[in-house]
Amino acid sequence: EVQLLESGGGLVQPGGSLRLSCAASGFMFSSYTMSWVRQAPGKGLEWVSAISGSGGRTYYADSVKGRFTISRDNSKNTLYLQMNSLRAEDTAVYFCAKLSIEYCPSTRCLISHFDYWGQGTLVTVSS
Amino acid sequence: DIQMTQSPSSLSASVGNRVTITCQASQDIGNFLNWYQQKPGKAPKLLIYDASNLETGVPSRFSGSGSGTDFTFTISSLQPEDIGRYYCQQYDNLWTFGQGTKVEIK
Repeated sequence: EVQLLESGGGLVQPGGSLRLSCAASGFMFSSYTMSWVRQAPGKGLEWVSAISGSGGRTYYADSVKGRFTISRDNSKNTLYLQMNSLRAEDTAVYFCAKLSIEYCPSTRCLISHFDYWGQGTLVTVSS
Repeated sequence: DIQMTQSPSSLSASVGNRVTITCQASQDIGNFLNWYQQKPGKAPKLLIYDASNLETGVPSRFSGSGSGTDFTFTISSLQPEDIGRYYCQQYDNLWTFGQGTKVEIK
């Protein structure tokens, strides 16, 4: 059974830093691209960042580029999100999500959907 | 970046009624579109992938259609357990979600 368990959320002041972790189990962690998706209170889903199975490729939403860093430790089956220069608008529940297997319908390859999610960890940025 | 515009933002319908949600992409994304359901306090769940394919185990009252820039999600007969928020998501270029549609029972 696939399980994703986030930790590391909490209250932080504007301009501060926080590191989220996501412990994964039940699948071949190193074979899958992993992602962070957030949801501000009462708002919709926002994709934040993703990292390839090997860790060699990383992707970021414009809203967090230059402030957040995604990484992974395949020996520990753990995904991380280092969040620096936090702002009030970063307040959200942060979900760790496993992406589906990459497929190549033509000359390019795609990763379709988020097939497993954690329960989320709340990050509150406030003074 | 690809923007996804979803409408309406909320709707209220009676049990048994047909419900339709639309999603428009800012550029042609082919059929690279998925639909999710999120119940309060829970993580999202995939319902429809590649615009029109029903995920295994999802009731057949849920369906999706469309390609290019315009997509539709339908619940053919709304049930009480269908309350929640529904999101479209594109994967033609990274991943983007629509703003969501809150579905309530009238």
